[in-house]
Amino acid sequence: QKEVEQDPGPLSVPEGAIVSLNCTYSNSAFQYFMWYRQYSRKGPELLMYTYSSGNKEDGRFTAQVDKSSKYISLFIRDSQPSDSATYLCAMAGGYQKVTFGTGTKLQVIP
Amino acid sequence: GAVVSQHPSRVICKSGTSVKIECRSLDFQATTMFWYRQFPKQSLMLMATSNEGSKATYEQGVEKDKFLINHASLTLSTLTVTSAHPEDSSFYICSAPQGANEKLFFGSGTQLSVL
Repeated sequence: QKEVEQDPGPLSVPEGAIVSLNCTYSNSAFQYFMWYRQYSRKGPELLMYTYSSGNKEDGRFTAQVDKSSKYISLFIRDSQPSDSATYLCAMAGGYQKVTFGTGTKLQVIP
Repeated sequence: GAVVSQHPSRVICKSGTSVKIECRSLDFQATTMFWYRQFPKQSLMLMATSNEGSKATYEQGVEKDKFLINHASLTLSTLTVTSAHPEDSSFYICSAPQGANEKLFFGSGTQLSVL
């Protein structure tokens, strides 16, 4: 079993839709949770960083962490074509290096 | 957020030549930087941890003599792919933590193509 599982997609939605991206993990030591956005042939860009259970909102993005279920989500409201990218979840904790999910490719259709 | 600059963005070279990739933290100091490799449609694979003023730490299966890492200052780490071969063709990305060890900021990546 991988430490971090992420649905690879691709996920295709119409413009304006609410997008839900999810990751599950198995390592209880993880306590820091990140979401990155990566455009094709570019480095990942940090979108959200959180270390507690619950929701964290930043503009159209909401990160949700449920440590009891070992489940994190990223919600994108009013999705735009510019949101089309690959989204990577990432986690760290204890002495572990940052572990990345495999990424979910999102396409927002105008 | 913090800015990490990576150059070059793309390089094409002949088999057997060496290629150097630079990674700079522009607005913060980084005693540690990370080098990743990414294959198409796959996630990031950590290659090595670059430590300022000391030897790099390589992940299992990564050849130290093939991928030379130098971290001579608090803002610059370099990765040199020595005697590159077509199988070394890949997308290489560096990152540096800022604010917290797990809060990574990435360079824009380098696409290496070895002919």
